[in-house]
Amino acid sequence: EVQLVESGGGLVQRGGSLRLSCAASGFTFSRYAVNWVRQAPGKGLEWLSYISSDSSTIYYADSVKGRFTVSRDNAMNSLYLQMNSLRAEDTAVYYCARDKRLSVDYWGQGTLVTVSS
Amino acid sequence: QSVLTQPPSVSAAPGQRVTISCSGSSSNIGNSYVTWYQQLPGTAPKLLMFENNKRPSEIPDRFSGSKSGTSATLGITGLQTGDEADYYCGAWDSSLSAWVFGGGTKLTVL
Repeated sequence: EVQLVESGGGLVQRGGSLRLSCAASGFTFSRYAVNWVRQAPGKGLEWLSYISSDSSTIYYADSVKGRFTVSRDNAMNSLYLQMNSLRAEDTAVYYCARDKRLSVDYWGQGTLVTVSS
Repeated sequence: QSVLTQPPSVSAAPGQRVTISCSGSSSNIGNSYVTWYQQLPGTAPKLLMFENNKRPSEIPDRFSGSKSGTSATLGITGLQTGDEADYYCGAWDSSLSAWVFGGGTKLTVL
């Protein structure tokens, strides 16, 4: 069974940093690209970042470019999101989601990040 | 402002049929496959339809998808109260090098 489990969320002050993790299981992690997607309270889905299976290709949304850094460790079946210079508008549930090239299929349960001012 | 455009809400009675539209452009829907997700309250999005009109095995055939040009449609027949959820469309945007989503449509089964 494909599973993605996010962790690392919590309460952080504006301007602070946080590192999210996503643990993958049930599939060959090293063969898939993965994404980070977030959802602010009561709002829709916002794609944040894509990282290819071998980390050679990385994309970011303009809203986080220069502040967030995505990385992965295929030996540990893990995905990471380093978030710096956090703003109030970064408050959201953060999901990792598997990329099947033609679609994003499996999603984790999400981890809540709250940025206080 | 979402790149893909969906109606904010739709509603219909149990047993009836409803459609949800998703409008984009040549750089996303017009050049890519469309994916649909169902998000029940308090849960993560769940894959409902991929590659425009393919259902994961666990999704009943009451759900269908179609695409024409730069628009896509999700159809749900035989509506049940358990179908009440937010529905999102998504596609890869080749100009943005990004996955883009619609703003979501809240389905109410009256």
